[in-house]
Amino acid sequence: DSGVTQTPKHLITATGQRVTLRCSPRSGDLSVYWYQQSLDQGLQFLIQYYNGEERAKGNILERFSAQQFPDLHSELNLSSLELGDSALYFCASSAGNTIYFGEGSWLTVV
Amino acid sequence: EDQVTQSPEALRLQEGESSSLNCSYTVSGLRGLFWYRQDPGKGPEFLFTLYSAGEEKEKERLKATLTKKESFLHITAPKPEDSATYLCAVLIQGAQKLVFGQGTRLTINP
Repeated sequence: DSGVTQTPKHLITATGQRVTLRCSPRSGDLSVYWYQQSLDQGLQFLIQYYNGEERAKGNILERFSAQQFPDLHSELNLSSLELGDSALYFCASSAGNTIYFGEGSWLTVV
Repeated sequence: EDQVTQSPEALRLQEGESSSLNCSYTVSGLRGLFWYRQDPGKGPEFLFTLYSAGEEKEKERLKATLTKKESFLHITAPKPEDSATYLCAVLIQGAQKLVFGQGTRLTINP
């Protein structure tokens, strides 16, 4: 158990809908990262927050947004969902250089 | 462009048959190289961090080594429970994201 908690574990939704994925980092970790993993793309970095502020941005679509709250939990919002957004979405957290991953939220868009 | 390449894509071994997985990288500046293990449908599990050429880390049947251009994950006398996808990632200087390779899918037959 890495200590990073993600909800929901599984989610099935229709195209055009909006979903929110939630992440609680390890106790004391200020950095939160979001990654997307699909079968043909591997693990792709989306975005990082540090203590509530956006620190780095990767290949995150404009339809996606994230935020980190004062209690350090983070949410990833995915809107206008398309079939191609079906993937595993991972949250990770770190206090130093080592990044620990949660178990992921499996999103299926139908 | 920062790039991480892992080989082979897949490897099938008999129980007890030792081998090595390769991770080659081309980055602007390396802060650290990470190895993770990922089981199907699960989050990546942290194994090792290596920071400088010549460094080695060991854990049970696994040993990771680092040179200036690549890293090896040596697996000695593997068991079926070592079957997983092994991911290599680099943390780049001046950035706050891990860049992952595509992984090596390792299968150990009893």
